[in-house]
Parts: sequence; structure tokens; C-alpha cells
Amino acid sequence: GQQLNQSPQSMFIQEGEDVSMNCTSSSIFNTWLWYKQDPGEGPVLLIALYKAGELTSNGRLTAQFGITRKDSFLNISASIPSDVGIYFCAGREGGSNYKLTFGKGTLLTVNP
Amino acid sequence: DGGITQSPKYLFRKEGQNVTLSCEQNLNHDAMYWYRQDPGQGLRLIYYSQIVNDFQKGDIAEGYSVSREKKESFPLTVTSAQKNPTAFYLCASGRLGGYTFGSGTRLTVV
Repeated sequence: GQQLNQSPQSMFIQEGEDVSMNCTSSSIFNTWLWYKQDPGEGPVLLIALYKAGELTSNGRLTAQFGITRKDSFLNISASIPSDVGIYFCAGREGGSNYKLTFGKGTLLTVNP
Repeated sequence: DGGITQSPKYLFRKEGQNVTLSCEQNLNHDAMYWYRQDPGQGLRLIYYSQIVNDFQKGDIAEGYSVSREKKESFPLTVTSAQKNPTAFYLCASGRLGGYTFGSGTRLTVV
């Protein structure tokens, strides 16, 4: 099945640093979503984007829906230890099908 | 509060046995999904259902079966035909705004 190209695959940073990750697709998406998964738990929705060019923040997190509708990025500012986890991007192509395509995830480790 | 519940959290199965993982939602979502996650891997789609009494195979359906007799429930059976069933299984229900995931079931074959 189709997958998004999510990068980087993993990141190891110091507490307080900013983080950036992105996803690209060969298909146009109508919706971009960013999820975070804590160890042993299910992913939780962080930010949803519905319009090309849209820039949305959720606390220290900021995400953007690319103008071409084929990419999105997530920034985390001033990272803290509880930011540790796997971050997934997901896109929906539109229509009445709710089915999402997921990236392979970015594993974030924050060193206190 | 609405949500999606997976049970059990941990499951041990003897090789050669079938096992059923439960997934229940009270979010009134039409669509439900099952994913498999292996260490260091992304989410791989097993089966999905967009409406009651209908479901479609995902990317890795071999060795799995599902049913969708009620809107609220989408159980997954891992059959003895699944060659490598040890994994973390995630259920989700969906709407236009995205999916809500359950907390997962970790299946171990012993």
C-alpha cells in the first residue's frame, strides 16, 4: 500500500532544543494529521490540518499544510522530556473514504 | 466520555491457537480499522470497515479475519495461519477529522 515519506526516521536531541520533522507524498491530500504515540499506547491526535497553506499551533507544537498539498511539517519548540515518543504524519486523499495513509514515524528521544 | 476500548491489554497465545482481540467504540463512527505495529515499524493496515456488515482487506490481511455485525464493535481474530503473530495491535475508528485509536493489545505467541 501507499505510504508517506516521513523524515527523519529518528532524532536524539537535548532538552530545550527545537525539533522539526516532515512528510512528503506523491499524492495530493485534503487533510494532514499529526499523531504522537507514547510507548505501549495508541497514537493520539496532536494537530489536524484541512486547508493548503494552513498553519496551526497546539502549545509548543506547530504544523503546516504545504501549499502543493503534498507535504506537511511539524515543529516542536523548547523540547521537554515528555516529548519522547513516535510522531506519525497521516494524510487523507478526500472523498467520502475516511481512510488515512500513515508515514513510518519519527522516533524522538530527548536527553534531559 | 466517548472513546474506543481494546481488550485485553496483554494476551498470550499458544502456537496453533486462534485468538480474538476486542475493539469497541461509542463515538458513533461508521469506519473502523485494525493495524499491526512491530518494533521500529510503522502502522500496517490489516482490515477496515466503512459500514456495518462490510469490510475490506488491508495490506497484510493474510492470517487474520474480522466481523462487523454492530457499528460499535470490530473484533479481530488472529488465526493459526498467521505465521508471525507476535505484535502490538491497534484498533481505530474514523471520521473526516481523523482517527481515534485504542490503547492497543500486545499479543505474544508462546
